[in-house]
Amino acid sequence: DAGITQSPRYKITETGRQVTLMCHQTWSHSYMFWYRQDLGHGLRLIYYSAAADITDKGEVPDGYVVSRSKTENFPLTLESATRSQTSVYFCASSEALGLGVLHFGNGTRLTVT
Amino acid sequence: AQSVAQPEDQVNVAEGNPLTVKCTYSVSGNPYLFWYVQYPNRGLQFLLKYITGDNLVKGSYGFEAEFNKSQTSFHLKKPSALVSDSALYFCAVRDGTGFQKLVFGTGTRLLVSP
Repeated sequence: DAGITQSPRYKITETGRQVTLMCHQTWSHSYMFWYRQDLGHGLRLIYYSAAADITDKGEVPDGYVVSRSKTENFPLTLESATRSQTSVYFCASSEALGLGVLHFGNGTRLTVT
Repeated sequence: AQSVAQPEDQVNVAEGNPLTVKCTYSVSGNPYLFWYVQYPNRGLQFLLKYITGDNLVKGSYGFEAEFNKSQTSFHLKKPSALVSDSALYFCAVRDGTGFQKLVFGTGTRLLVSP
């Protein structure tokens, strides 16, 4: 089925561990985004990508790494997880001329203990 | 920097009554404004957008939003609320850098009682 899928849906990890959240879209959208959702903060942009091999920082990039070797995949890696990174993470995609219409995955709930 | 404010954490309304979810914005240049909805354990879904043109924008599920430039507001409205409209609503503004980035508000929880 066409769409945007995130995996895993739930993840528990320990402080200091590396963890990677996966995002895959089947629309061949140019743009992809990673947001985190926290109570009182709404959604904050972590990283985004305008095309394969083009990525840039968002509002809260510290402690995160992204890559985009293929148009359809946009993994987010926490290099050394901290408790402050406990959050719900959303991946989204949009067409180049989508004028702000983002298509979101169902999220990954990450808990760092 | 672009920003949006949603002054109400929660809005309560009875089914069948009109609803309004408030949003104010701050932008440099022309505003590109959006409303998204989030149901439990799901990602956000696009409802409607204002780019240019008529101040009253119609969107999905019977929702509409009124753009008011003088008051820098973009309130979400629906004439008759449904229990199924209960969800978390986010206002957003397009980042001024020209990319597709959106800046989201903190969200407003809408509770529609039977």
